[in-house]
Amino acid sequence: EPEVTQTPSHQVTQMGQEVILRCVPISNHLYFYWYRQILGQKVEFLVSFYNNEISEKSEIFDDQFSVERPDGSNFTLKIRSTKLEDSAMYFCASSEGWDHYGYTFGSGTRLTVV
Amino acid sequence: QQQVKQSPQSLIVQKGGISIINCAYENTAFDYFPWYQQFPGKGPALLIAIRPDVSEKKEGRFTISFNKSAKQFSLHIMDSQPGDSATYFCAATRAGNQFYFGTGTSLTVIP
Repeated sequence: EPEVTQTPSHQVTQMGQEVILRCVPISNHLYFYWYRQILGQKVEFLVSFYNNEISEKSEIFDDQFSVERPDGSNFTLKIRSTKLEDSAMYFCASSEGWDHYGYTFGSGTRLTVV
Repeated sequence: QQQVKQSPQSLIVQKGGISIINCAYENTAFDYFPWYQQFPGKGPALLIAIRPDVSEKKEGRFTISFNKSAKQFSLHIMDSQPGDSATYFCAATRAGNQFYFGTGTSLTVIP
């Protein structure tokens, strides 16, 4: 079964450092998403991306965050200057169509900011 | 504003019993209601989903009941097994928009 692949699985970074989380969506999917889940809490939407531009973003997705599809396969989330409160699981997801057909989550990257 | 409210927060069920998790939503424009199962250290995995044109959907031991007028939907797990022990999230969305997740239910099925 096709998978959304995320790397690394765990990243530890110092406060103030920049981090890039990487995702390889399912190959025929056109819509890409990032979510985060603070330990023990619900999954929260960050941003959706389609046709090389952001289509929707939440209030969490401030100027510290950016997304990019640098080539035909990768989808990245960059956090410019990490804060302690950015520590969370970050999930990438992708879907085939705008009606969420085939919506699939990756296994996540655990980001720990120290 | 919490778009999706989920209860209970945790649930303990005997093996073979029925697990029931409830969700309520706010936005009547939502048109897709999935349930996700999440094991520790893994991403949410789609379990079953329903659209508001039907009141019930069954897949194996998993059933979604949907009440459009009450803006509620629930997940029923029949013949619960220890392997079902996980966190379950309900979600709601409309086409082209973000998913709004519930706060999760930690299910423990005891042998």
